[in-house]
Amino acid sequence: DSGVTQTPKHLITATGQRVTLRCSPRSGDLSVYWYQQSLDQGLQFLIQYYNGEERAKGNILERFSAQQFPDLHSELNLSSLELGDSALYFCASSVLTSGNGETQYFGPGTRLLVL
Amino acid sequence: AQTVTQSQPEMSVQEAETVTLSCTYDTSESDYYLFWYKQPPSRQMILVIRQEAYKQQNATENRFSVNFQKAAKSFSLKISDSQLGDAAMYFCAYRSGNTGNQFYFGTGTSLTVIP
Repeated sequence: DSGVTQTPKHLITATGQRVTLRCSPRSGDLSVYWYQQSLDQGLQFLIQYYNGEERAKGNILERFSAQQFPDLHSELNLSSLELGDSALYFCASSVLTSGNGETQYFGPGTRLLVL
Repeated sequence: AQTVTQSQPEMSVQEAETVTLSCTYDTSESDYYLFWYKQPPSRQMILVIRQEAYKQQNATENRFSVNFQKAAKSFSLKISDSQLGDAAMYFCAYRSGNTGNQFYFGTGTSLTVIP
């Protein structure tokens, strides 16, 4: 158990709908990353937040948005869903430590199926 | 942007034998961190091992060790005494030593362990 929690574990919805994925980082971790992993694909970096502020942006569609709240949990919002958005969405948290750099710890992921 | 290359989409190893997974990366930086993550069929992402670029000594975690060749920009993972539970997808990842930089992942190597 990495200490990172993600809800829900599974989500089935229809095209055109909007969903929200939630992530709670490990205690003390300020950074949250979101990734998308389609079937048999590698990890695609979407976005990073650090202590409530957006820090880096990857290949995130305009239909997707995210935020990190004061309690450091994060939400990824996916709207106008398309079949191709079906994927496993990972959240990872990390803390920068002096001399040790930064290590990401991943949550179990949310499996999204768009029908 | 940095790139991480895993040139072996699939590898196989006999149980109890040793296997080496390759990873190369492209960077102009001198301060960075390298990681290997394991993704078993459950699709949970599990940190296997981490290497700081400023350390000359290769990292070791039980049966897992790396061969870090900084000049060649190579970071291979050696798994000794392979076990059935080692069967998984393995991802190599790079992170700059600068604060706020994202992680870059390779496309993964699928490891099969033959009984």
